[in-house]
Amino acid sequence: KAGVTQTPRYLIKTRGQQVTLSCSPISGHRSVSWYQQTPGQGLQFLFEYFSETQRNKGNFPGRFSGRQFSNSRSEMNVSTLELGDSALYLCASGVPGLAGNEQFFGPGTRLTVL
Amino acid sequence: DQQVKQNSPSLSVQEGRISILNCDYTNSMFDYFLWYKKYPAEGPTFLISISSIKDKNEDGRFTVFLNKSAKHLSLHIVPSQPGDSAVYFCAASRIIGKLVFGKGTKLTVNP
Repeated sequence: KAGVTQTPRYLIKTRGQQVTLSCSPISGHRSVSWYQQTPGQGLQFLFEYFSETQRNKGNFPGRFSGRQFSNSRSEMNVSTLELGDSALYLCASGVPGLAGNEQFFGPGTRLTVL
Repeated sequence: DQQVKQNSPSLSVQEGRISILNCDYTNSMFDYFLWYKKYPAEGPTFLISISSIKDKNEDGRFTVFLNKSAKHLSLHIVPSQPGDSAVYFCAASRIIGKLVFGKGTKLTVNP
């Protein structure tokens, strides 16, 4: 079974621009979550989607948004980029109710904002 | 408010010995606790989890112990191998939903 895939792997943007990141979950997984990893804050939860509905949202400004499509693929968007948005953005997929709530991560998209 | 804490940023052990990574949490409502391993420039890889109703779970060289009264869990790796060198994250969650992560412990296993 193929793992979680994320595109692009690397991205360089400038302040004020907007960016869209893509995630394809493991086949059969309907839950997709996004996390931001930075050296100072560690891994922080952004949002979770299940069956095209946002089920949970972390403590991030409204510039961060996401969506999920009917095939469970998900995108996240960051508008009006700031230098502090430079981070590794990780997507994870899982099966709600699976014992242990195991979530499986993609390789991440490294976003650099200049 | 950091709900999951890994107080040791780094740990160094000799190959063949035991590695013990520790994690503390504050929210008694967590249902599951998970350990992930992460190499640079890669996503976290799931290692092992434990339900809040258990006190031990074992998978090969990896064992997780949970002490609910102390709100503490630990991951034991025996024997440690150089390939185990990575950053280890402790995470906690309810039955479904988001994972709350600690800030990680960098494990170095010396040959």
